[in-house]
Amino acid sequence: GAVVSQHPSWVICKSGTSVKIECRSLDFQATTMFWYRQFPKQSLMLMATSNEGSKATYEQGVEKDKFLINHASLTLSTLTVTSAHPEDSSFYICSALRQDYEQYFGPGTRLTVT
Amino acid sequence: LAKTTQPISMDSYEGQEVNITCSHNNIATNDYITWYQQFPSQGPRFIIQGYKTKVTNEVASLFIPADRKSSTLSLPRVSLSDTAVYYCLVGGGRDDKIIFGKGTRLHILP
Repeated sequence: GAVVSQHPSWVICKSGTSVKIECRSLDFQATTMFWYRQFPKQSLMLMATSNEGSKATYEQGVEKDKFLINHASLTLSTLTVTSAHPEDSSFYICSALRQDYEQYFGPGTRLTVT
Repeated sequence: LAKTTQPISMDSYEGQEVNITCSHNNIATNDYITWYQQFPSQGPRFIIQGYKTKVTNEVASLFIPADRKSSTLSLPRVSLSDTAVYYCLVGGGRDDKIIFGKGTRLHILP
């Protein structure tokens, strides 16, 4: 099956710093990728839709200036959490849409802000 | 996007067949039904997808009645490793964003 990777798998950063998370589709091209956030014991919450070559579309309530998304190529989307705070600590998951319209999820990135 | 309703949790025993039902009363004509499995601290994993009637693969079966207002995921002979959260999702599959419901927390007992 198709593979989507995320890097890093976990990261710890200090409050006020920025963190970049990468999402890559390893064996297919993805013009559309999605970013989710998941808190413990809760479901995945869609944050934004990332489109290659254009601006991301953010869900209501998600600050676009805080969660910067760049879909630089057909295989890479990045999520940058700017000026991170402890409440941004969460599990961030991306997914990539293949040409046959099936979605494949990455393994997730655990962010801890101290 | 059609809203889905699933049981919050279920318990079963090893070797049993487990059926998880999902309601999606306002499913649209072009919507597909997809089930994902998620283990703690991992991304969701695709299990099965269908549009109508019955679909079967090597891990599960999906039963969809004629009115498509519900669907049932069937896991044959579950094992302890099937303990996970199972999500039922409904969408067009054509660059549709996936909105996750609360999912069903399945706990398999020895």
